[in-house]
Amino acid sequence: AQTVTQSQPEMSVQEAETVTLSCTYDTSESDYYLFWYKQPPSRQMILVIRQEAYKQQNATENRFSVNFQKAAKSFSLKISDSQLGDAAMYFCAYRSAFINNQGGKLIFGQGTELSVKP
Amino acid sequence: GAGVSQSPSNKVTEKGKDVELRCDPISGHTALYWYRQRLGQGLEFLIYFQGNSAPDKSGLPSDRFSAERTGESVSTLTIQRTQQEDSAVYLCASSGGIFGEQFFGPGTRLTVL
Repeated sequence: AQTVTQSQPEMSVQEAETVTLSCTYDTSESDYYLFWYKQPPSRQMILVIRQEAYKQQNATENRFSVNFQKAAKSFSLKISDSQLGDAAMYFCAYRSAFINNQGGKLIFGQGTELSVKP
Repeated sequence: GAGVSQSPSNKVTEKGKDVELRCDPISGHTALYWYRQRLGQGLEFLIYFQGNSAPDKSGLPSDRFSAERTGESVSTLTIQRTQQEDSAVYLCASSGGIFGEQFFGPGTRLTVL
């Protein structure tokens, strides 16, 4: 079974600085997707970024980028120029690329609570 | 609608009562998922619907939990004889994109007294 681990329960960053959130996962599959979701106090889960395992190039979305190390099964999220609105719980998630395998359900890590100091 | 909606937003119930939670997915999305999020925890998969196929119920924690979905529309999650350990936020997501991104509703916070 696949597992996702986020080893940092809490992180803090100064506004305008850069922060990196860690995520590792375990799988025997060769093709899968990895996601970072943001959950502010409103509870709404917001997709931040997606990485396809078959792509070597790291995904980037504006101030958000990932460092995907497939061999090490590591998938970290870097937030540049942190803003107060980035404060939230961040979840790393795994999904098999084979829909017939587990139906595409997401497997989540325990989350990292990010605070941004003004 | 523009996004996934869920109702009620909050539900307080007494131990032993039954509750029904509702999810309206994004129009056209064929897949629908229910997750449970306990306080300070990640999301746990409960059940998955894909079109008219038999649902994947592998995540349901006990036979007190059940869910229904009619076609590709609304889904209801029912918890019978609620227990205090059922207190959590119940999140619904629907999916229909190429990469299967799941779009989440705002959740229902269930409190069992």
